[in-house]
Amino acid sequence: SQQGEEDPQALSIQEGENATMNCSYKTSINNLQWYRQNSGRGLVHLILIRSNEREKHSGRLRVTLDTSKKSSSLLITASRAADTASYFCAFMDSNYQLIWGAGTKLIIKP
Amino acid sequence: DGGITQSPKYLFRKEGQNVTLSCEQNLNHDAMYWYRQDPGQGLRLIYYSQIVNDFQKGDIAEGYSVSREKKESFPLTVTSAQKNPTAFYLCASTSGLALGTDTQYFGPGTRLTVL
Repeated sequence: SQQGEEDPQALSIQEGENATMNCSYKTSINNLQWYRQNSGRGLVHLILIRSNEREKHSGRLRVTLDTSKKSSSLLITASRAADTASYFCAFMDSNYQLIWGAGTKLIIKP
Repeated sequence: DGGITQSPKYLFRKEGQNVTLSCEQNLNHDAMYWYRQDPGQGLRLIYYSQIVNDFQKGDIAEGYSVSREKKESFPLTVTSAQKNPTAFYLCASTSGLALGTDTQYFGPGTRLTVL
């Protein structure tokens, strides 16, 4: 099955700056989810956005979804060193299968 | 504390051996999943189970087997038929019965290395 595509593959920014990661897909979706993974650990769910939603917020996280462009973005504002992790998008297709992107590795420099 | 536990954290296997990875959850979730993660790639689904005594193959089931005798437990066996088993294995669960309808809760993972 297809994977979602994420870019950039890696992102390094200074603490306090905003970080933006993008995810694209090729099929119709029911929802799109973002997860975070610290090195060598399990994944932690961040946000789920449904196909009829365009934007969602959770603390310093903002997720947008553009179904016409088949893309989503995750914005982390005022980044902190503790935000250093890999971030994965996963979209649920019309068959209720969860398809994962390859992830963006985010490094926050103090 | 509710959550998912996986053991062991690190596992070494000789070629030709079968090994079993443990996954236990006390979240009272109906659905459980096994994923494989390789460097630079997204998660790939190995097997999933929506109810006890039932499970389905995912995208890369060849060389793996599972059982679901109890709601809380979903062990994964990596058999000698799996040609490239070295990877990070993640177990997850969801509360809903329909696959992928809600968020997934993950265990800490098991890193398997074939010597």
